[in-house]
Amino acid sequence: TQLLEQSPQFLSIQEGENLTVYCNSSSVFSSLQWYRQEPGEGPVLLVTVVTGGEVKKLKRLTFQFGDARKDSSLHITAAQPGDTGLYLCAGAKGSNYKLTFGKGTLLTVNP
Amino acid sequence: NAGVTQTPKFQVLKTGQSMTLQCAQDMNHNSMYWYRQDPGMGLRLIYYSASEGTTDKGEVPNGYNVSRLNKREFSLRLESAAPSQTSVYFCASERTGRNQPQHFGDGTRLSIL
Repeated sequence: TQLLEQSPQFLSIQEGENLTVYCNSSSVFSSLQWYRQEPGEGPVLLVTVVTGGEVKKLKRLTFQFGDARKDSSLHITAAQPGDTGLYLCAGAKGSNYKLTFGKGTLLTVNP
Repeated sequence: NAGVTQTPKFQVLKTGQSMTLQCAQDMNHNSMYWYRQDPGMGLRLIYYSASEGTTDKGEVPNGYNVSRLNKREFSLRLESAAPSQTSVYFCASERTGRNQPQHFGDGTRLSIL
């Protein structure tokens, strides 16, 4: 059972466009993390959101945690080729150390 | 700082061979993890170690064993490799505490023929 569903699975856009990717679940998470993974490398943390309704901004990236802490979104403004990569969301429950990862959204930004 | 170091980076095995994937971290983290990443499947947890001396099964432990040799090192062993274990394997470490990030190595790409 996949607890975290990410959509879309693939996204190819032109430089300068805006985009939103989604991470949805029927389960409540105590926190949710977003990672970006580039080819040949491991995932790198972008942000952690912990409070329902929380919005965090990282330059052109805006992350939102749903009010019920079951879903999250990542919005990128004016995408650049350097944003290309696999975006993974991962949820944690309670004091359990384990993260549950979604399958990821593979983003390609064309020059 | 090297962070999380995985060796080897690439490996090709024949069915039935055994091998050990090595992972070491220099951040003094208590928790360490082994994941496999397959196309369309995301990251799936194989085993984890919440602290030195403890290990626990994750989502897909069958066919694997682990050893937390000390605080720095966490190895993953395939006793009798099968083609279904062809994958990219990632090791990660994490400081104890709520909402801590996991720090990943660059992966071991393993092909089993």
